[in-house]
Amino acid sequence: ETGVTQSPTHLIKTRGQQVTLRCSSQSGHNTVSWYQQALGQGPQFIFQYYREEENGRGNFPPRFSGLQFPNYSSELNVNALELDDSALYLCASSSSRGRNYGYTFGSGTRLTVV
Amino acid sequence: ILNVEQSPQSLHVQEGDSTNFTCSFPSSNFYALHWYRWETAKSPEALFVMTLNGDEKKKGRISATLNTKEGYSYLYIKGSQPEDSATYLCASEVTGGGNKLTFGTGTQLKVEL
Repeated sequence: ETGVTQSPTHLIKTRGQQVTLRCSSQSGHNTVSWYQQALGQGPQFIFQYYREEENGRGNFPPRFSGLQFPNYSSELNVNALELDDSALYLCASSSSRGRNYGYTFGSGTRLTVV
Repeated sequence: ILNVEQSPQSLHVQEGDSTNFTCSFPSSNFYALHWYRWETAKSPEALFVMTLNGDEKKKGRISATLNTKEGYSYLYIKGSQPEDSATYLCASEVTGGGNKLTFGTGTQLKVEL
């Protein structure tokens, strides 16, 4: 079985631009969550998708949006990038029955906004 | 406790030492407590998910305990090895919380030869 794959691994964008980050969930997992980890902080919950619908959202502005596709892969889109959006973005997947076994994380996308 | 807090922030131990970390979390509306190990340049790896008060789980030399009434969990590593060097994250999950994990800032462990 494959794990969670995120792309790209690193990205540099200019303030005001838009960015799309991608995540392929682990085989058999139908739930994907996105987290932002700023320097020196723990990961912060952005939102979760379950069967292509948003299933919970953290304290992030609407310029953070997402999608989940029929194959359960997911995208995180951030519009009007700000310097404070520079962070590591983690994707995590789980099955609806496997939540009690923990989430499977990808290794993240490092976004730098200049 | 309003947030998830972990202590110590970092720890240096010698190979063979046993060590433990603390995770404090809000006890209201508790659903589950997760522990993850995160090695540099890799993905966070699930160690334990604990839901019951008094729960104790073990994986090899690593074990964890849970007290949901007072809102804390301990992670123990017996006979630390250099490969145990990593950041250990705990995260709480609450009922009605939209399945989100609230993470602490982690304990960074360095095991030296």
